[in-house]
Amino acid sequence: GAGVSQSPRYKVAKRGQDVALRCDPISGHVSLFWYQQALGQGPEFLTYFQNEAQLDKSGLPSDRFFAERPEGSVSTLKIQRTQQEDSAVYLCASSSGLVSYNEQFFGPGTRLTVL
Amino acid sequence: QKEVEQNSGPLSVPEGAIASLNCTYSDRGSQSFFWYRQYSGKSPELIMFIYSNGDKEDGRFTAQLNKASQYVSLLIRDSQPSDSATYLCAVVTSGTYKYIFGTGTRLKVLA
Repeated sequence: GAGVSQSPRYKVAKRGQDVALRCDPISGHVSLFWYQQALGQGPEFLTYFQNEAQLDKSGLPSDRFFAERPEGSVSTLKIQRTQQEDSAVYLCASSSGLVSYNEQFFGPGTRLTVL
Repeated sequence: QKEVEQNSGPLSVPEGAIASLNCTYSDRGSQSFFWYRQYSGKSPELIMFIYSNGDKEDGRFTAQLNKASQYVSLLIRDSQPSDSATYLCAVVTSGTYKYIFGTGTRLKVLA
């Protein structure tokens, strides 16, 4: 595709509901990242995939957060039993290579509001 | 101390002036440095990256890196109102691929 796409763009959940956020990276991109961006803050790293392998999940804030990329392309970030503090924009980014100076291309984000 | 620090601003400059945005980082092992621009409600888009000490120029933008002092800056020459946005500094440390972002500096270019 032309760029990274994410769906849904907006999600409103009641506290305690489970949500699933989808990311379609740029075709052929090996690396995929999830970030969480609170209002007025910079994005914060959540997790990183290289193909289907989740190599770093150190940023996931709790065991309610789970991410997968089973076939090395599309990724899903799942949040169980959502809490109000989970309200944020969730950004997905992909990168073509495996070196630290490869640019990450960001999707439009999913704005999650937990009531 | 945060790993990557930026002044949140807002930084206001008149149209046509030079805007200077600064970023400091704490990990001496940091290897790659990125400047992203983020308009309100939009996703970050890359302006420049730098990984060697010195200056790197691209059009109206110049990135400057000083690893000894652990800072990286972005200069925007001939600032335009369309440059008004939040500028995010991102750092990649040795052995990782993830970005560590600063909080961003909000720039306002006044017409």
